[in-house]
Amino acid sequence: AQSVTQPDIHITVSEGASLELRCNYSYGATPYLFWYVQSPGQGLQLLLKYFSGDTLVQGIKGFEAEFKRSQSSFNLRKPSVHWSDAAEYFCAVGATGTASKLTFGTGTRLQVTL
Amino acid sequence: DAMVIQNPRYQVTQFGKPVTLSCSQTLNHNVMYWYQQKSSQAPKLLFHYYDKDFNNEADTPDNFQSRRPNTSFCFLDIRSPGLGDAAMYLCATRWGRSESNQPQHFGDGTRLSIL
Repeated sequence: AQSVTQPDIHITVSEGASLELRCNYSYGATPYLFWYVQSPGQGLQLLLKYFSGDTLVQGIKGFEAEFKRSQSSFNLRKPSVHWSDAAEYFCAVGATGTASKLTFGTGTRLQVTL
Repeated sequence: DAMVIQNPRYQVTQFGKPVTLSCSQTLNHNVMYWYQQKSSQAPKLLFHYYDKDFNNEADTPDNFQSRRPNTSFCFLDIRSPGLGDAAMYLCATRWGRSESNQPQHFGDGTRLSIL
């Protein structure tokens, strides 16, 4: 069965500082990996996705993530955080097949201090 | 813009009183999902439709039902809501026909409160 671990429940960074959110996955084949962001009271917005090819993927809002098969990781990064980035971030792995059900990690809440 | 729209955004119902949440989409996606998300938790898949085919998750309570009358609309029915059903309910859609794996697109959710 597939699973996702986000080791950090809560992270606080200063505005302008760099950010890295960790994600480790368990999946028996080549995974489809996603990062979603959720602002309070809102739905999930897709930041970026990895299906195949280049292991460094670029997303919206200046985010990027790197797929490392040897470490089973898909960490999310941003070089300079803005106060508006404060939100909950979910890493997810998608099963192959037409339904492509997602398994989410438990999320990391990002707080940004001014 | 093409969207996934959930109505209402906030729903209050009484303990045991049936409630229906709705989801519509303009993306013409063939797969639609319903998730339950409790406070500070990850979304939990309840069921999904692949076209008209309904697929229930093994641990989804019988109290939860769904209808998909056409491609654009999907409904979540909770027959007898209990206090434990208070949560955010998220609808998502996806294009599932091509070989390439497309991401799920989420609505803004419906926050359900039980009195």
